Amino acid sequence: GESVGLHLPTLSVQEGDNSIINCAYSNSASDYFIWYKQESGKGPQFIIDIRSNMDKRQGQRVTVLLNKTVKHLSLQIAATQPGDSAVYFCAEKGTNTGFQKLVFGTGTRLLVSP
Amino acid sequence: EPEVTQTPSHQVTQMGQEVILRCVPISNHLYFYWYRQILGQKVEFLVSFYNNEISEKSEIFDDQFSVERPDGSNFTLKIRSTKLEDSAMYFCASSVSGTGAYEQYFGPGTRLTVT
Repeated sequence: GESVGLHLPTLSVQEGDNSIINCAYSNSASDYFIWYKQESGKGPQFIIDIRSNMDKRQGQRVTVLLNKTVKHLSLQIAATQPGDSAVYFCAEKGTNTGFQKLVFGTGTRLLVSP
Repeated sequence: EPEVTQTPSHQVTQMGQEVILRCVPISNHLYFYWYRQILGQKVEFLVSFYNNEISEKSEIFDDQFSVERPDGSNFTLKIRSTKLEDSAMYFCASSVSGTGAYEQYFGPGTRLTVT
């Protein structure tokens, strides 16, 4: 069956450190992946996405890496700030998960200490 | 920046009652979605809607659920007879397109509490 999962439920870092949040997915037919950030009491907020024909994509302070060989996705946050504290979800979309729905992982809580 | 809005922010209802959750998607978006998140769990897809009809739904979206776009701006989720296990955050989302790599923008959510 399809599943998107995260390796670590909680990641604690110091302000200024680089953070890496990992995600494993099982559906090799997935062709689009997104990282969302969810702050307490709010809806998921788009961070960055990547298509399956790419290995890496960079945004402002964030980088997503996709390794299709091992079905692994990671989110790197440079110079982590206290405002980055939130739960981070990876999500996938693909033709045989339903062409529109996003399948979310269980989430990793990022805690940034000053 | 345009955003998805949802009302109410918190809805408390008794088991067996009907509830309607409301959403205003981003104005130029054509695809609309409902997701739910039970406390402490992951976000789960419920239904997608395009061109005034359901285009995809999950096994969670049974006959107790329905969606409607009653006018040009609102998108609603109705639960006919709520159960305790319907207690969750319900998120509305919208996107420009439904296929390919298009970001879904999420609203702030409605917390539904069924007592």
